[in-house]
Amino acid sequence: DAGITQSPRHKVTETGTPVTLRCHQTENHRYMYWYRQDPGHGLRLIHYSYGVKDTDKGEVSDGYSVSRSKTEDFLLTLESATSSQTSVYFCAISERDTYGYTFGSGTRLTVV
Amino acid sequence: GESVGLHLPTLSVQEGDNSIINCAYSNSASDYFIWYKQESGKGPQFIIDIRSNMDKRQGQRVTVLLNKTVKHLSLQIAATQPGDSAVYFCAERAGGSYIPTFGRGTSLIVHP
Repeated sequence: DAGITQSPRHKVTETGTPVTLRCHQTENHRYMYWYRQDPGHGLRLIHYSYGVKDTDKGEVSDGYSVSRSKTEDFLLTLESATSSQTSVYFCAISERDTYGYTFGSGTRLTVV
Repeated sequence: GESVGLHLPTLSVQEGDNSIINCAYSNSASDYFIWYKQESGKGPQFIIDIRSNMDKRQGQRVTVLLNKTVKHLSLQIAATQPGDSAVYFCAERAGGSYIPTFGRGTSLIVHP
């Protein structure tokens, strides 16, 4: 998707290992979000950021941490991956006044 | 891995038919609604939005209808094409919040 890049696109990791997913944007949008998407569920918010070094928890934040040291990058870290964190992770960006999101292409994470 | 389309309500139509996808929302304070389209293996894409001071909005081949009395939203797609096959989901945003709540979605299958 134009202006927003997620990396890696796919990852397989072992239970108990740390994992970091990266979201990079070139739109200079203030707001960035991390969601997970699982069969049978809608998109669920993990964490979000409303500026550099300003982050807050979403509805499913347990087991995840985030960092935003630059406007363009928002990192999602699984400190010790568990099988329940196997999912597709989406990053999104927005400008508050326009409300709509632009989503990245997603990262498919498998924890074995 | 499992597709996000599994476990979702499914609407099957023939190419050229009109499609209607429905969404019920729960928060009477919601004042902004968005429809997204998600193709397999991709991130959600914005289709159309509507504010609560409107009851209808039209785009290219798509129309969104909002009935605040019964808290119901619908997306109509005219002359449905095979490229419209995807998962469609609505999002609602309550006034004063910039974080929407996403529905689980409906899988649209268009048969040529």
